[in-house]
Amino acid sequence: GDSVTQMEGPVTLSEEAFLTINCTYTATGYPSLFWYVQYPGEGLQLLLKATKADDKGSNKGFEATYRKETTSFHLEKGSVQVSDSAVYFCAPISNDYKLSFGAGTTVTVRA
Amino acid sequence: EAEVAQSPRYKITEKSQAVAFWCDPISGHATLYWYRQILGQGPELLVQFQDESVVDDSQLPKDRFSAERLKGVDSTLKIQPAELGDSAMYLCASSPTSPLNDGYTFGSGTRLTVV
Repeated sequence: GDSVTQMEGPVTLSEEAFLTINCTYTATGYPSLFWYVQYPGEGLQLLLKATKADDKGSNKGFEATYRKETTSFHLEKGSVQVSDSAVYFCAPISNDYKLSFGAGTTVTVRA
Repeated sequence: EAEVAQSPRYKITEKSQAVAFWCDPISGHATLYWYRQILGQGPELLVQFQDESVVDDSQLPKDRFSAERLKGVDSTLKIQPAELGDSAMYLCASSPTSPLNDGYTFGSGTRLTVV
């Protein structure tokens, strides 16, 4: 199966700060890549996706680019808000449709 | 927007008791997944169904856990007897036959506490 390495947290930021969460993966093929977000006490929600190399996924001000040459899919947001406090999961999907999760990165944004 | 429904949201049970969780996937999604998420960790796949058939239950502790999807629609996950270490969030997800484009859709989960 695939292996995902995510930047360890927790990460604490002030409002309007720049956020980066690093994610690299190992894969035998070239899967689609996803970022999921989990708010306290909730399930996982799809945040953004990229389905081929050099694709940039974006949603709610977050962006991530599928970098085939570095097998990376780093998540970025230019100006975070308190409402962005959550756990973020990088998740590649393999050609046999198995979704793999990293350990998650807890982000706390202070007002 | 279509959702994956799970119930109950919270469950407290005593160890050695039986407990069951229910999931109703998005209509038309052939594939259904049950995950366990221990606090502070990523989700771990327990069982995957394609329609009514189990396609992967390699990580399901079969001595105490069972799962069924009798008509290929909704599903039930059961634990009997529950142990203290089973305390976790149990997440259900569903996807179309090929999830490469849109991934899985997750429900809100059932938070289980075993006392």
